[in-house]
Amino acid sequence: AQSVTQLDSHVSVSEGTPVLLRCNYSSSYSPSLFWYVQHPNKGLQLLLKYTSAATLVKGINGFEAEFKKSETSFHLTKPSAHMSDAAEYFCVVSGRSGNTPLVFGKGTRLSVIA
Amino acid sequence: DTGVSQDPRHKITKRGQNVTFRCDPISEHNRLYWYRQTLGQGPEFLTYFQNEAQLEKSRLLSDRFSAERPKGSFSTLEIQRTEQGDSAMYLCASSLVGRGQETQYFGPGTRLLVL
Repeated sequence: AQSVTQLDSHVSVSEGTPVLLRCNYSSSYSPSLFWYVQHPNKGLQLLLKYTSAATLVKGINGFEAEFKKSETSFHLTKPSAHMSDAAEYFCVVSGRSGNTPLVFGKGTRLSVIA
Repeated sequence: DTGVSQDPRHKITKRGQNVTFRCDPISEHNRLYWYRQTLGQGPEFLTYFQNEAQLEKSRLLSDRFSAERPKGSFSTLEIQRTEQGDSAMYLCASSLVGRGQETQYFGPGTRLLVL
């Protein structure tokens, strides 16, 4: 069975400093991995996805994530935080070829301090 | 805006009442998913359709829940005899399977409060 563990429930950074949101996964198959973001009162938006091509995945709004099979990790990073990045971030795993329901982590709330 | 719409956006009901939610997916998408999200948690899978066929149901989906996608387009999720524990955000997502990697696009959700 697939699962993800988001290692921090809340991360707080200052504007302009780097962001690191940590995620470890467990999967019986070669996984498809995603990061989604949820702003207050808005729907889930796909930030980026890993599908067994390049291990470094670039997403929208300057975010990127690196797939590390040896560490079973898929951490999300951004070089410089912006106030608009404050939101809830979900690490997500799917099954082989992504053709199964998504399994979400519990989320990491990112706060950005001016 | 992802192109997936849900109606209503908010619903307040009394315990024991029935409620129905609607999801309109992106028009050419053949898969439609329902998830439930409670406060402080990530979304959890409930059920999904490929075209009009319901292919999988989670054990979270009790007998009081039923979902349909009659013509392979929009879907409805009905909860009968609502309980306070049903209070949650109900999310719909759609995707197109068959053209490489599936990506699910989510609607804004319907927030249900059962009093």
